[in-house]
Amino acid sequence: DTAVSQTPKYLVTQMGNDKSIKCEQNLGHDTMYWYKQDSKKFLKIMFSYNNKELIINETVPNRFSPKSPDKAHLNLHINSLELGDSAVYFCASSQAPTASGLFDEQFFGPGTRLTVL
Amino acid sequence: AQSVTQLDSQVPVFEEAPVELRCNYSSSVSVYLFWYVQYPNQGLQLLLKYLSGSTLVKGINGFEAEFNKSQTSFHLRKPSVHISDTAEYFCAVRDSGGSNYKLTFGKGTLLTVNP
Repeated sequence: DTAVSQTPKYLVTQMGNDKSIKCEQNLGHDTMYWYKQDSKKFLKIMFSYNNKELIINETVPNRFSPKSPDKAHLNLHINSLELGDSAVYFCASSQAPTASGLFDEQFFGPGTRLTVL
Repeated sequence: AQSVTQLDSQVPVFEEAPVELRCNYSSSVSVYLFWYVQYPNQGLQLLLKYLSGSTLVKGINGFEAEFNKSQTSFHLRKPSVHISDTAEYFCAVRDSGGSNYKLTFGKGTLLTVNP
């Protein structure tokens, strides 16, 4: 069984459209993340939810809105898509981070390659 | 604010040769350090991490890394690489303690192992 899954794997769309990417984890983790990896492979955190509560919210256009219906799911909705949104988006999950760092391994999904035309 | 510098964007090596991938970090507080690997068209996978204790950390697939506080480095090494080690390698850092759990990644190093 896949630990962290994302759908769709590929997403090609026109500028101005609204799209969603879904993420599900079956690891029983409390914390989920969205990352953006650009064409140069640079990986940057966008959002993180711990037990459905937003704990990390980086400087991201408000066209991006994460939604966590339950601990096992974290979806990413993007409004009014722009060319610069083209990237690979990774979902990840981990046990709830602690000061000790003992449970900091993040498990990544396979990624969603978004292409905006 | 933290930052991570991976000094080499690409490292080509021959099979069975040793390799070192360099990582330096900058932080005003103590840190935890991580190395992740990304195989082609896949998500990232944790190779190893340093939290405390011994500065030499062993990970999966025969990799190891050494934490050097004075040089603010966490270089990744493998004594003999295989073709299957070809991948992108990312160094990452987060503050130890406190409530800032954000991982900051370096820009990655592409390791290409040639026959």
